[in-house]
Amino acid sequence: DTEVTQTPKHLVMGMTNKKSLKCEQHMGHRAMYWYKQKAKKPPELMFVYSYEKLSINESVPSRFSPECPNSSLLNLHLHALQPEDSALYLCASATTDRFEKLFFGSGTQLSVL
Amino acid sequence: AQSVTQLDSQVPVFEEAPVELRCNYSSSVSVYLFWYVQYPNQGLQLLLKYLSGSTLVKGINGFEAEFNKSQTSFHLRKPSVHISDTAEYFCAVSGARNTDKLIFGTGTRLQVFP
Repeated sequence: DTEVTQTPKHLVMGMTNKKSLKCEQHMGHRAMYWYKQKAKKPPELMFVYSYEKLSINESVPSRFSPECPNSSLLNLHLHALQPEDSALYLCASATTDRFEKLFFGSGTQLSVL
Repeated sequence: AQSVTQLDSQVPVFEEAPVELRCNYSSSVSVYLFWYVQYPNQGLQLLLKYLSGSTLVKGINGFEAEFNKSQTSFHLRKPSVHISDTAEYFCAVSGARNTDKLIFGTGTRLQVFP
């Protein structure tokens, strides 16, 4: 199994909603990442978890809250988002946090109304 | 700190023609270099990477890239493209000794026409 699975694939939410994005991998990778990608732009790193501990937080607003309940799962909790947060949210994993080979999921396309 | 520049935002090409997607980087330290491809509504997939050793790197789908330290370039090439190569291509760089950041270029849209 060489896949990173993200759910849901599409999500529409209002600015007062609370929702969660989920990411799962069963490759034994110990580093997991959240990226945000706006249309026609490169991915921007949001968070890195290494051995289930948050190792990088790229000054992301607190309305985004990551969680790594175990080595296979990564969640991104969303609360009180703004329309400008609409984007493709990509999860990735790697053997270590050295970026030598990232495996990306297909992403969750998020629309905030 | 590292940075990467992809000068061409779009590259149109006919099927079976050769293609080169340009990538230049800036860094004061040794680097790792990567090319990723993103098909519509998909995540990114690693095409190839340069970590050390031979400067000519071969990747998946018939792509290759050459690391040129003197020109600080890592251009991606394919001798004959297919319609299915139509996608967004991202060059990326990280420091070889400090790999806590992977910096992506702005991407090049490869459009292959029949």
